[in-house]
Amino acid sequence: GAVVSQHPSWVICKSGTSVKIECRSLDFQATTMFWYRQFPKQSLMLMATSNEGSKATYEQGVEKDKFLINHASLTLSTLTVTSAHPEDSSFYICSASFRDRGRHGYTFGSGTRLTVV
Amino acid sequence: SQKIEQNSEALNIQEGKTATLTCNYTNYSPAYLQWYRQDPGRGPVFLLLIRENEKEKRKERLKVTFDTTLKQSLFHITASQPADSATYLCALATTGNTPLVFGKGTRLSVIA
Repeated sequence: GAVVSQHPSWVICKSGTSVKIECRSLDFQATTMFWYRQFPKQSLMLMATSNEGSKATYEQGVEKDKFLINHASLTLSTLTVTSAHPEDSSFYICSASFRDRGRHGYTFGSGTRLTVV
Repeated sequence: SQKIEQNSEALNIQEGKTATLTCNYTNYSPAYLQWYRQDPGRGPVFLLLIRENEKEKRKERLKVTFDTTLKQSLFHITASQPADSATYLCALATTGNTPLVFGKGTRLSVIA
């Protein structure tokens, strides 16, 4: 249980275009979703926390107008990279916290490799 | 500032030996600590969680210890196999619904 499905797994886009990444919780309700970015050989860096039905909270240094997060339902959160540039090329991963029969944990999507050319 | 350090970027060991990975943290009071496995191009996969009031947790060939005085966790893989080769990440959370904060990871290579 507690599966998050993330799509697409990889995307190549032209500089200046926008890309949307989706994360769906398949068998639980994700009231809170976390978005991370990971550069090669680096740790996962938290970008933002989104709660269903409210505005996302962004970490310091992350531009909220560039990385649009929508968490309109309990099973879907999206991250849109607007006007993408080559420096936005990275591995983006979503995560959700869950509670299931007294068990609490975090589950992760499989990640999206974004390459901006 | 808060910091999580994993002792080495890469670790090579012989098949059958025990791999020991270290995670140290400063300026944190974590409610619990977790270990994840990450394969190239994939998201992290949960392995083990240990709470602040627990000293040790085991799951099959995996063992985690947690010393809140030393602010350190050790992650052991016994009887290691080439299939255990991956990056292992240590992560902390202060409460149940706060985001996990990750270390950089240790890339483990088990050589046959």
